[in-house]
Amino acid sequence: EADIYQTPRYLVIGTGKKITLECSQTMGHDKMYWYQQDPGMELHLIHYSYGVNSTEKGDLSSESTVSRIRTEHFPLTLESARPSHTSQYLCASSEFGGPTGELFFGEGSRLTVL
Amino acid sequence: GQQVMQIPQYQHVQEGEDFTTYCNSSTTLSNIQWYKQRPGGHPVFLIQLVKSGEVKKQKRLTFQFGEAKKNSSLHITATQTTDVGTYFCAGSLRDNYGQNFVFGPGTRLSVLP
Repeated sequence: EADIYQTPRYLVIGTGKKITLECSQTMGHDKMYWYQQDPGMELHLIHYSYGVNSTEKGDLSSESTVSRIRTEHFPLTLESARPSHTSQYLCASSEFGGPTGELFFGEGSRLTVL
Repeated sequence: GQQVMQIPQYQHVQEGEDFTTYCNSSTTLSNIQWYKQRPGGHPVFLIQLVKSGEVKKQKRLTFQFGEAKKNSSLHITATQTTDVGTYFCAGSLRDNYGQNFVFGPGTRLSVLP
């Protein structure tokens, strides 16, 4: 079983609030990712990181920001949430240069902005 | 940019029937991965294919990578209700050292008992 954790699992907030979605992994993986997924739809990469102090934007433009101060943590922040941000956010990690490149996903954070 | 397509979008089968989903890329891929996501769950890695024409089997699941490395398929023999979920392919242009995987839209499988 993968050791990658996301909190909160569910969050309902009002427009304009600042939120941070937490993601932690205990596998020592260098590479971490944030995907956005609407129900029943495909996954869109919004941020990724190769390691500490590395952050890159993904294929889908997002108003969120990320940081990577420690290997095991990769939090995602929305400074001012809007209803258009309502979605599920999936954090993942992989072993950089690993044999399979397997992505280990967290359980997801389901965000609803009213 | 790189695009990964999957067909069909939905598939309903009777338990015991076979199921196949197809993945096509607009560009030649370095490797391709397959994931399964149960309803309400998160994607779980199934397999990675790297070589042209590669075929891999996992019990009732057979994965194939096309000769041109632009398409792939997942075939499930004699489906069971536990096979219900969405199957995603994810293609990469380079190896996992320096390229991210682009996910297809997925095929949602329903299995009727």
